[in-house]
Amino acid sequence: GQQLNQSPQSMFIQEGEDVSMNCTSSSIFNTWLWYKQDPGEGPVLLIALYKAGELTSNGRLTAQFGITRKDSFLNISASIPSDVGIYFCAGPAVLGTGANNLFFGTGTRLTVIP
Amino acid sequence: KAGVTQTPRYLIKTRGQQVTLSCSPISGHRSVSWYQQTPGQGLQFLFEYFSETQRNKGNFPGRFSGRQFSNSRSEMNVSTLELGDSALYLCASSLDGLTAYEQYFGPGTRLTVT
Repeated sequence: GQQLNQSPQSMFIQEGEDVSMNCTSSSIFNTWLWYKQDPGEGPVLLIALYKAGELTSNGRLTAQFGITRKDSFLNISASIPSDVGIYFCAGPAVLGTGANNLFFGTGTRLTVIP
Repeated sequence: KAGVTQTPRYLIKTRGQQVTLSCSPISGHRSVSWYQQTPGQGLQFLFEYFSETQRNKGNFPGRFSGRQFSNSRSEMNVSTLELGDSALYLCASSLDGLTAYEQYFGPGTRLTVT
């Protein structure tokens, strides 16, 4: 199946700093999704991207759909302690049946030091 | 609108037993997907149901099965439990159509097999 590799695997940053992470795929995706997961909870959808080159913001979060369609980027500005968690990228399998099947990246674990 | 709910939240079972997990999607969502999350394998797709029909299945053995009811609620069943089935099982729901890939996750059921 498709491989989604995220980097970095983990980050330790000071509160107030900006954060950048990315996700790369061996295959083309027509949709990119970014999720955040807190310990013991399910992933929460942050941003959905539908067009190559698209840049979308959600508060302090900004995500971009790479023009090659094989990568996506997530930036968090002015980090705060509640940004702590694991961030996942995800993309759908192209099945042609309308079925919904997401491939998830390996995750980036973010730690914010107050 | 209430989010995706899953019951039970925690479960401890013995090897060889079977288990049934339940998921209630967001009102109006007709697609329900199930995922397994483990530290080693990450988030992996199990299967997806839409209008009581399984539309897609991941690469898991036949011991893993599911169904969907007419009210879109879904259950998954794991028979003959193995130690390796210990995981967080996540259910996600979505609207069909243009935003079908935007899946909303429940809090998960933490299954421990001893």
